[in-house]
Amino acid sequence: QVQLVQSGAEVREPGASVKVSCKASGYSFAGYYVHWLRQAPGQGLEWMGCIRPNSGGTTYINQNFLGRITVTRDTSSSTVHMELGSLRSDDTAVYYCAREYCSPTDCLKNFDYWGQGTLVTVSS
Amino acid sequence: QSALTQPPSASGSPGQSVTISCAGSSSDVGAYNYVSWYQQHPDKAPKLMIYEVTKRPSGVPDRFSGSKSGNTASLTVSGLQPEDEADYYCSSYGGRNIHYVFGTGTKVTVL
Repeated sequence: QVQLVQSGAEVREPGASVKVSCKASGYSFAGYYVHWLRQAPGQGLEWMGCIRPNSGGTTYINQNFLGRITVTRDTSSSTVHMELGSLRSDDTAVYYCAREYCSPTDCLKNFDYWGQGTLVTVSS
Repeated sequence: QSALTQPPSASGSPGQSVTISCAGSSSDVGAYNYVSWYQQHPDKAPKLMIYEVTKRPSGVPDRFSGSKSGNTASLTVSGLQPEDEADYYCSSYGGRNIHYVFGTGTKVTVL
């Protein structure tokens, strides 16, 4: 069955960076973009960026995170990583990965499977 | 890019219907038929309920339906069940620069 399994909770101090991983299984890794989204406590969802697993791993990033976020993939282990730097207290949130089906010509523009979420707490 | 606007709460008794609105702009909801709806129970990951405005993924009950008029999309839950009590978020594709924008969320309570 399709699974996206994320790494465990993290605690960081302001100014540090954090790397969250998302291991995919149960489907063809190359056929789906992997997205990162986050949800601050009691708040809504925010799209952060995504990566195309094949063809060089092209990334698309929310302009609000440009310069702070890096999304990479390891095709040998079907794992996507998201690193967020220069952390602030308002980066405290649950971070989710989610997949989107993409054919060679188009994507479905929805997220049909999600990881279980990773709580990142930024506190001194 | 501003979040899409949803009412904070909605409620109904079991068996009744509830409709949630999602107000966007001519750059997102009004420009593309790529509106999705997600259901989120407490401390759980979101679940896709509607995509491309009206389509339901396999396994989603047909009590859930979606529509769109102009810059506003809507989700209707008919025949409310206790398990429908959750937060609901709309999402729209916003083009190659914005990519995806989400709604503010609506808490549905089954009375």
